[in-house]
Amino acid sequence: SQKIEQNSEALNIQEGKTATLTCNYTNYSPAYLQWYRQDPGRGPVFLLLIRENEKEKRKERLKVTFDTTLKQSLFHITASQPADSATYLCALDMGGFNKFYFGSGTKLNVKP
Amino acid sequence: ETGVTQSPTHLIKTRGQQVTLRCSSQSGHNTVSWYQQALGQGPQFIFQYYREEENGRGNFPPRFSGLQFPNYSSELNVNALELDDSALYLCASSSGTLNTEAFFGQGTRLTVV
Repeated sequence: SQKIEQNSEALNIQEGKTATLTCNYTNYSPAYLQWYRQDPGRGPVFLLLIRENEKEKRKERLKVTFDTTLKQSLFHITASQPADSATYLCALDMGGFNKFYFGSGTKLNVKP
Repeated sequence: ETGVTQSPTHLIKTRGQQVTLRCSSQSGHNTVSWYQQALGQGPQFIFQYYREEENGRGNFPPRFSGLQFPNYSSELNVNALELDDSALYLCASSSGTLNTEAFFGQGTRLTVV
């Protein structure tokens, strides 16, 4: 089965800096990959989707890259704010309509 | 808000009991997926329903079963509850086309004692 690795340790950064989160995967290559944000006790909220033929995708302060050779996706938040503090989940499609393998998530703490 | 609602929000059950969780999908969405999320872990795929038919299943035993209704709402049933079934159960609604986002409900927190 697919194995997805995200930094299990929390990422602590200062407000205004760029946060970079990593998602590494093994086995088959997904057709697309998504990033979600999850706040404590809440369901994940969709942030960005990137397809296998796309190298980079941007949305406001968010940027995601997808390197199918390295089997890696990087998720960047520029000019980070305390409100960006949350757990960020990487999700790979299982080969079908929105069925995903999720990583365990990386907790981001942005300090004022 | 995503428009996906789950009920109940919290539930406490005793080992061996049965439980039914409910999910109302977003308007226009015909696909519902269920996930189990243990504390500190990412969501794990249980199964998916597309137009009332099961459309894929993760590595969960048969005591996890589901149903989708003509209005595309869905139920997750778990029989013979075990302590390890304690988790946040998430329902995700999507349009049934490729490469689209999923909209998650707020989840049902199930505690088995």
